Amino acid sequence: GENVEQHPSTLSVQEGDSAVIKCTYSDSASNYFPWYKQELGKRPQLIIDIRSNVGEKKDQRIAVTLNKTAKHFSLHITETQPEDSAVYFCAAVGRLGNTPLVFGKGTRLSVIA
Amino acid sequence: GAVVSQHPSWVICKSGTSVKIECRSLDFQATTMFWYRQFPKQSLMLMATSNEGSKATYEQGVEKDKFLINHASLTLSTLTVTSAHPEDSSFYICSARPSGVGTGELFFGEGSRLTVL
Repeated sequence: GENVEQHPSTLSVQEGDSAVIKCTYSDSASNYFPWYKQELGKRPQLIIDIRSNVGEKKDQRIAVTLNKTAKHFSLHITETQPEDSAVYFCAAVGRLGNTPLVFGKGTRLSVIA
Repeated sequence: GAVVSQHPSWVICKSGTSVKIECRSLDFQATTMFWYRQFPKQSLMLMATSNEGSKATYEQGVEKDKFLINHASLTLSTLTVTSAHPEDSSFYICSARPSGVGTGELFFGEGSRLTVL
């Protein structure tokens, strides 16, 4: 089955700097890669996702890149703000419908004002 | 976006009792729902896949007789933690993906924090 590795486990950046979180996956059949942000005690919230037919997607300060050959994808947050502080999870899934997401272990991002 | 509602949001129970958690998709039908468990400072770990009208599929290491799952309709799945013990204390989150062709996005319930005394 799918295995998703995520690095780093913790990340501290100064406000205004960029943050990059990287994930690798094992199943070459996976074709959907979402990123979730989870604040303490709350449910995960989708912040951006990418499909295997594109290499990059951007939404304001957030971007995701995908390298299918190398089986890795990354989250980029620019101009970080204190409210970006949270735990971020990457995930991967192959066939849709009844296939669950497999999550990475998470990255705790701290943005220091 | 689609809405998934989970209830209760938190529950405290005595060891040995059973607790039921409900997960409802409010504005879409979900043939399949997923139950995840999250221990403090850890990732979301899939417990089981709930299939409407049939038996749930459990992940390795998850006891099906302890974590009873019922998916009686296209909008409701329930997880019952039977004979709960302190080690079952965790954050339980359900999720669902609308049936049919879609974006693939998985929608999460609010989560249920279970504390077993």
